[in-house]
Amino acid sequence: DGGITQSPKYLFRKEGQNVTLSCEQNLNHDAMYWYRQDPGQGLRLIYYSQIVNDFQKGDIAEGYSVSREKKESFPLTVTSAQKNPTAFYLCASTPRSGSGGAGEQFFGPGTRLTVL
Amino acid sequence: AQSVTQPDIHITVSEGASLELRCNYSYGATPYLFWYVQSPGQGLQLLLKYFSGDTLVQGIKGFEAEFKRSQSSFNLRKPSVHWSDAAEYFCAVSFSGGGADGLTFGKGTHLIIQP
Repeated sequence: DGGITQSPKYLFRKEGQNVTLSCEQNLNHDAMYWYRQDPGQGLRLIYYSQIVNDFQKGDIAEGYSVSREKKESFPLTVTSAQKNPTAFYLCASTPRSGSGGAGEQFFGPGTRLTVL
Repeated sequence: AQSVTQPDIHITVSEGASLELRCNYSYGATPYLFWYVQSPGQGLQLLLKYFSGDTLVQGIKGFEAEFKRSQSSFNLRKPSVHWSDAAEYFCAVSFSGGGADGLTFGKGTHLIIQP
């Protein structure tokens, strides 16, 4: 079945450590996204990538980094510069704009990151 | 500034009763509009979407939504709720057309179903 996988489901990190969250999709989608979810805040866009080897900052990119070396993979690194990293992180993907279904984003199951 | 507002943080309805969740947006043109549902600790599932055409759209699980340009609204409705509808509901908007630049989400409405 096609879909988006995120791993791990739960992640614990000590303060001052970098950590990388995995996101893989087999939907053959061009665009991929990372969102952060905090209680009562909805989802906020961290980074997105519309094509391999290219990505753009979203609304809250500070303290995060990404790479897009393969179409199906879009890992997110939470760096030690992120002041409040404890949150639920969601990865999403969508077909290229104009290819039908444009705009509709498909979401992975999420990774809950807790900083100890 | 472009924004999405869900005015109700929590809504409680009795099982079998009708439901309406409100969503308003601030934008100079007609955006792409979506409703998503999220169960605790899970990802988001698309309920329905509006791009153009008929302003009343049907979605999955018996949900529908109506786009009203004059009110900048996209309210979600269901005629009779089931206990399994208890979840968090998010209205989302693409202001860039096509959604390629990401979605802007409301803060969500938590739906509680009373037996």
